[in-house]
Amino acid sequence: QKEVEQNSGPLSVPEGAIASLNCTYSDRGSQSFFWYRQYSGKSPELIMFIYSNGDKEDGRFTAQLNKASQYVSLLIRDSQPSDSATYLCAVNLYSNYQLIWGAGTKLIIKP
Amino acid sequence: DAGITQSPRHKVTETGTPVTLRCHQTENHRYMYWYRQDPGHGLRLIHYSYGVKDTDKGEVSDGYSVSRSKTEDFLLTLESATSSQTSVYFCATGAGNTGELFFGEGSRLTVL
Repeated sequence: QKEVEQNSGPLSVPEGAIASLNCTYSDRGSQSFFWYRQYSGKSPELIMFIYSNGDKEDGRFTAQLNKASQYVSLLIRDSQPSDSATYLCAVNLYSNYQLIWGAGTKLIIKP
Repeated sequence: DAGITQSPRHKVTETGTPVTLRCHQTENHRYMYWYRQDPGHGLRLIHYSYGVKDTDKGEVSDGYSVSRSKTEDFLLTLESATSSQTSVYFCATGAGNTGELFFGEGSRLTVL
């Protein structure tokens, strides 16, 4: 059973601080990794993807991948109240069209 | 914005009735997906399509069927709805075989 695990939260972070979201996956054949943000009552939207070990930065967001330890994380710097949402981690095997999704971490940024 | 619309957005129906959800895209994406989202489960793939008339099952396909007769339309049918199919259904599209998906607004289905 291929699994993607996330802490459901809620994770509460003060405004301006760094929010750190983590995701672990079980299948070593996983090739690509995605972070989606989902506001309450809305649809998911892609914010970051990473394919290689290490860090990938995009504005205030940094995705980190460690394939040896089978985890991927998302850092949000200078957190804003508008970052309050559920963050979904998704993992793609190279061989099929199916993403395996985590259940999401609810992030709350407190002003 | 990938131009993905779902209809209906909300539907209440009774057990045993057939239900069809429609997904329409204007981006000419090859891949289309139907997911359901339930609390504590994340997104679960029901069916997907990799081209016109090319479809395959996902992890929770029992009780669902799909059809794709045109690139832009992907239909999800519940032949005989059950209360366990009460959920929020999302359509998604992708230009390639990657995890970069664009989602529709979702369809909330309640089966009484």
